[in-house]
Amino acid sequence: AQTVTQSQPEMSVQEAETVTLSCTYDTSENNYYLFWYKQPPSRQMILVIRQEAYKQQNATENRFSVNFQKAAKSFSLKISDSQLGDTAMYFCAFMNYQGDKIIFGKGTRLHILP
Amino acid sequence: EADIYQTPRYLVIGTGKKITLECSQTMGHDKMYWYQQDPGMELHLIHYSYGVNSTEKGDLSSESTVSRIRTEHFPLTLESARPSHTSQYLCASSGAGITDTQYFGPGTRLTVL
Repeated sequence: AQTVTQSQPEMSVQEAETVTLSCTYDTSENNYYLFWYKQPPSRQMILVIRQEAYKQQNATENRFSVNFQKAAKSFSLKISDSQLGDTAMYFCAFMNYQGDKIIFGKGTRLHILP
Repeated sequence: EADIYQTPRYLVIGTGKKITLECSQTMGHDKMYWYQQDPGMELHLIHYSYGVNSTEKGDLSSESTVSRIRTEHFPLTLESARPSHTSQYLCASSGAGITDTQYFGPGTRLTVL
């Protein structure tokens, strides 16, 4: 069975700093998809970034980038030049190739301090 | 923000009551999902649908049921609510493609007394 582990329940960083959120997963599949979602306080969950496992190039979206290490089954999220609006709960998620199995991690609560 | 709506946003109800949580999307998405999220915990997929008249159970066993009679509508029903059903329920939708982004609704926070 697939599992997703986020080992950092909570983190705090100063505004403008760079922060990395870790995520590891376990699967026996070769093709799959990985996601980072952001859930701000009292607001809707939104997709931050996604990675297809068959792509070696790490995905980037503006200040957000991932370090995808397929062999190590690691999928960390790096937020550069962090902003107050980045304060949120961040969830790492795994989806199988067929799209019918979606597993979320327990989340990392990130606080950006002024 | 995405055009996906959930009502009610908050619901406090007594044990044994029948409840229906509404979820609607105006994006024409084929796929819709229901997740259960306990405070400070991960989301668990409880139901999903690939389109009209399609419903499947997710990884987390749930006593709730769903229906998909119209593309835009994916209600979740609990026939007899219990305190163990207290949780937040999130609805999401996505296009037909495997990697299409999931858009989440604002959630319904259910408390069963």
